[in-house]
Amino acid sequence: QQPVQSPQAVILREGEDAVINCSSSKALYSVHWYRQKHGEAPVFLMILLKGGEQKGHDKISASFNEKKQQSSLYLTASQLSYSGTYFCGGGDGGATNKLIFGTGTLLAVQP
Amino acid sequence: DGGITQSPKYLFRKEGQNVTLSCEQNLNHDAMYWYRQDPGQGLRLIYYSQIVNDFQKGDIAEGYSVSREKKESFPLTVTSAQKNPTAFYLCASSGDRAIPNQPQHFGDGTRLSIL
Repeated sequence: QQPVQSPQAVILREGEDAVINCSSSKALYSVHWYRQKHGEAPVFLMILLKGGEQKGHDKISASFNEKKQQSSLYLTASQLSYSGTYFCGGGDGGATNKLIFGTGTLLAVQP
Repeated sequence: DGGITQSPKYLFRKEGQNVTLSCEQNLNHDAMYWYRQDPGQGLRLIYYSQIVNDFQKGDIAEGYSVSREKKESFPLTVTSAQKNPTAFYLCASSGDRAIPNQPQHFGDGTRLSIL
């Protein structure tokens, strides 16, 4: 079963903050985050490998709670360029790099 | 520049017809993947391959077939058995299969529609 993301959609004004959550019923060994602009390819943002790990670049960061099988993506002082659909991808810790992608969160940043 | 090339960008299929979507990568990646994306939904895995001449079914393989005769190429055939093929198809690849947790790199996708 695919991870569930919340909220399904969010509308922000430029400069506002947002949090996107990813929750799995299966064990997560790693969490990947991607952003997809409409009609384009998903673009890799970051990977979190260990429970409790936090990462970030620019004003986008993420955390991973391995025990709760949850990850959150934090977007601070959002910019118009942040608009798109965000997907989390759960790694199963197996011998492959196969991912199970979440349901997606549509983020729209308005001027 | 290294990357993943999918072609065509748009494809139309007639009833009862098989069509093949091309995916080529020059990243020297071991693994390749095919996903299907329906409007407003996430990515679902169709097939994946970790090495030449080997591939495994994903979650929605019925009605699809693949081959991996060369490291750079992983074509997907949508057969007539796939009754609802209209979707956005994405190909991806990831690096050294001996190293876990590699990020996936995506092509620009092929949009398939039924005539």
